[in-house]
This record gives sequence, C-alpha cells and structure tokens, in this order.
Amino acid sequence: AQTVTQSQPEMSVQEAETVTLSCTYDTSESDYYLFWYKQPPSRQMILVIRQEAYKQQNATENRFSVNFQKAAKSFSLKISDSQLGDAAMYFCAYRSAYGQNFVFGPGTRLSVLP
Amino acid sequence: DVKVTQSSRYLVKRTGEKVFLECVQDMDHENMFWYRQDPGLGLRLIYFSYDVKMKEKGDIPEGYSVSREKKERFSLILESASTNQTSMYLCASSTATRGGGNTIYFGEGSWLTVV
Repeated sequence: AQTVTQSQPEMSVQEAETVTLSCTYDTSESDYYLFWYKQPPSRQMILVIRQEAYKQQNATENRFSVNFQKAAKSFSLKISDSQLGDAAMYFCAYRSAYGQNFVFGPGTRLSVLP
Repeated sequence: DVKVTQSSRYLVKRTGEKVFLECVQDMDHENMFWYRQDPGLGLRLIYFSYDVKMKEKGDIPEGYSVSREKKERFSLILESASTNQTSMYLCASSTATRGGGNTIYFGEGSWLTVV
C-alpha cells in the first residue's frame, strides 16, 4: 500500500519570505499523480498544485512550485513571497494512475508571521 | 465550480445515538469519499463509492456504514456513536476518468462531537 509522509508537523515563515514544505511517499508504481492541498482555518480544502509522475518538469502555479524527485520519491512544495493568507494546513496526497483513491499525508501547519 | 455540500457543519450527539452525515455534489462525479480528519493523523479514508449502490471499505470502516442511492448523494452512518468517533468528517468527490489525474473536491467538513 502507498504511504505519504510529511515530516514537519509545523512550520513558520516570515511574510514575503520563501518556505519549503517536505513530502515523501512510498510506492512501487511508476505512474501516479501527486497533489498539494491547502486547508485554511475553518475553511474548505482546496487544490494548490498537481504533478504527473511521468512529467519531468516541475509544476508551478504562481507563487507555488514543487520539487519533484521521482527516484527519491520526494515532492516538496515551495511557497515564494509568503502572504498572510497562506497560513493553513497543507496536505500532500498521492493517487495511483490505476486506482481511484487518494492517500494523504498527516499535514503540515504553516504559520505566516507579519 | 464544483460544489460539495455537507448538510451539517457542527453536530453534538450522545453515545449510542445513530448519526447520519449527508453529502451532495453537483458535478455528476462518479466517485465519492468519506474521510475522517484527526490532528497528526491527516485524512483517513472511511469508505469510497465509485457508483450508485457500490462501495468499498477504506482504512477505518469499523463503526461506520455508507449509503449511495443516488449518484449525487453519499451518506455516512454511525450506527451507534461512540466518543472515539468525535472528529471532523470530510466528504469529497472526483471523476473516474482513466489516468487518475483528476483532482478531488472537498466539502467544508462536519465537526461531530459525541458526548
């Protein structure tokens, strides 16, 4: 079974600075998708960014980018120019290309300091 | 925009009560999910449904059942609520397109307290 690990339960960053959240996963499959989701306090979980495992190019979405290292099974999220609205729980997730289920990590709580 | 609506945001129930959590999605998604979210444990899958009347157990199905009589609606049932089921429950949906790249959409969550 696949597992997703986020080794940083909590992180903090100064406003306007850059922060990187770590995620590692374990799978024997070669074709899969990876996601970062954001859950603001008392609000709905939303997709931040998605990466296809067959693509070597790292995904980017405005201030959010990933460092996908397939061989190392690592999928970190970099947030540039951090804003107060980035404060949230961030979940890393895995989905096999052959299945329908999503596997989530335990989450990292990010605080943004003014 | 995809909308996943959970009927109750906050509930307080007594031990032994039967609890129904309702979820509706408006995007004709084939897949629907119920997750439980606890601090330090992330999201754990309770049940998954890929079609009407079809269901699969997730990682923690004990003490729960589900019902999917219509494509847009997926209910989570706690037959006899216990205090260890106090948690946040998240409903979600996704399409079933081959390839698996489709994202999952979440409801706002239902905070259940069992006393």
